[in-house]
Amino acid sequence: EDQVTQSPEALRLQEGESSSLNCSYTVSGLRGLFWYRQDPGKGPEFLFTLYSAGEEKEKERLKATLTKKESFLHITAPKPEDSATYLCAVQTGYKLSFGAGTTVTVRA
Amino acid sequence: DAMVIQNPRYQVTQFGKPVTLSCSQTLNHNVMYWYQQKSSQAPKLLFHYYDKDFNNEADTPDNFQSRRPNTSFCFLDIRSPGLGDAAMYLCATSEPGQANTEAFFGQGTRLTVV
Repeated sequence: EDQVTQSPEALRLQEGESSSLNCSYTVSGLRGLFWYRQDPGKGPEFLFTLYSAGEEKEKERLKATLTKKESFLHITAPKPEDSATYLCAVQTGYKLSFGAGTTVTVRA
Repeated sequence: DAMVIQNPRYQVTQFGKPVTLSCSQTLNHNVMYWYQQKSSQAPKLLFHYYDKDFNNEADTPDNFQSRRPNTSFCFLDIRSPGLGDAAMYLCATSEPGQANTEAFFGQGTRLTVV
């Protein structure tokens, strides 16, 4: 059975304090790994797709990396508007399986 | 510009009274998903369709049914809602044949059971 584990569950940061979120996975036949941002009461918003180990993607203050067993989402110099829950998902076949997310709070 | 639209955004239903949630998409994607998300938990896949091919997760309760009458629309029917079915229900679409296979989500329907 596909397993996706995210850590930490919650992360409190001071504005400008860089940090990393972890997503470890155990799947057979990984087709892609996805990062989403979810604000309270809303649907997940797509951030990145990673398809192979060694791949990196960047968007503003966010950078996602992938190895054969885990992915990291690095947040550089975060701002309060980066506060959200960040979800990781793995795709096998047509199925997307999610981790429970990391809730990031950035204080001004 | 909304691409995946869920209606209603908020739904209150009585214990045991059937309820239907709807999802429509303008992306013409072949795959549609229904997820259930409870507070501080991972979205849990209930079903997915590839075109008209229906795939039910093994642990999805029989109380949950789905219909996809055409490419654009998909419905989630809860035949006899219990208090434990209160959650956010998320619809998503994806197109595996494209270079980018990410799933696009609607804003969700928050279901309250009273």
